Amino acid sequence: DAKTTQPPSMDCAEGRAANLPCNHSTISGNEYVYWYRQIHSQGPQYIIHGLKNNETNEMASLIITEDRKSSTLILPHATLRDTAVYYCIVRLPYNNNDMRFGAGTRLTVKP
Amino acid sequence: EPEVTQTPSHQVTQMGQEVILRCVPISNHLYFYWYRQILGQKVEFLVSFYNNEISEKSEIFDDQFSVERPDGSNFTLKIRSTKLEDSAMYFCASSSGTSAASQYFGPGTRLLVL
Repeated sequence: DAKTTQPPSMDCAEGRAANLPCNHSTISGNEYVYWYRQIHSQGPQYIIHGLKNNETNEMASLIITEDRKSSTLILPHATLRDTAVYYCIVRLPYNNNDMRFGAGTRLTVKP
Repeated sequence: EPEVTQTPSHQVTQMGQEVILRCVPISNHLYFYWYRQILGQKVEFLVSFYNNEISEKSEIFDDQFSVERPDGSNFTLKIRSTKLEDSAMYFCASSSGTSAASQYFGPGTRLLVL
């Protein structure tokens, strides 16, 4: 699986958009980009995933660059409850494969 | 919204004892997983399970570990003889089995080996 690089930490003001970047320059053509988050030792929570098109759901938007070498997770209106570690994972679409969690980005939403 | 559940939420055991951690995956899911997270460290994959057999396992998943789906709903992780270093959060996850399906995680069991 392709390696990902994320900043170790970021801050965001409550109510503002949080834009979390991820580099995955060695991604292969059939690898998907997944985003999860973990709120203080709770189970990882699925947020969104995509292959090449931008995706949006009720939680977030995922913007994948045209060359697919990087992506950005956007939380449009961050709240204090969005404070968590966010993980960007690149993975082949095979169900027996694990989600390979790195260190992620610790997002702190401040009032 | 359906969710993965795990019991117990906390387990304290003595070194050398056997523990069984239980999970109820989302009901129509076909793939099941166990992960662990030692305090302050990354979430690590242990094993994936499909069609009543192990699909993949990591180096962590040695002979001390076993998994089972004893009935149509439960998925268990057994550690035969616990060691101090088995102390961790253990997360169960499940996925639907469609291509690129996401995995949905339970709240975890905190295991403390004394």
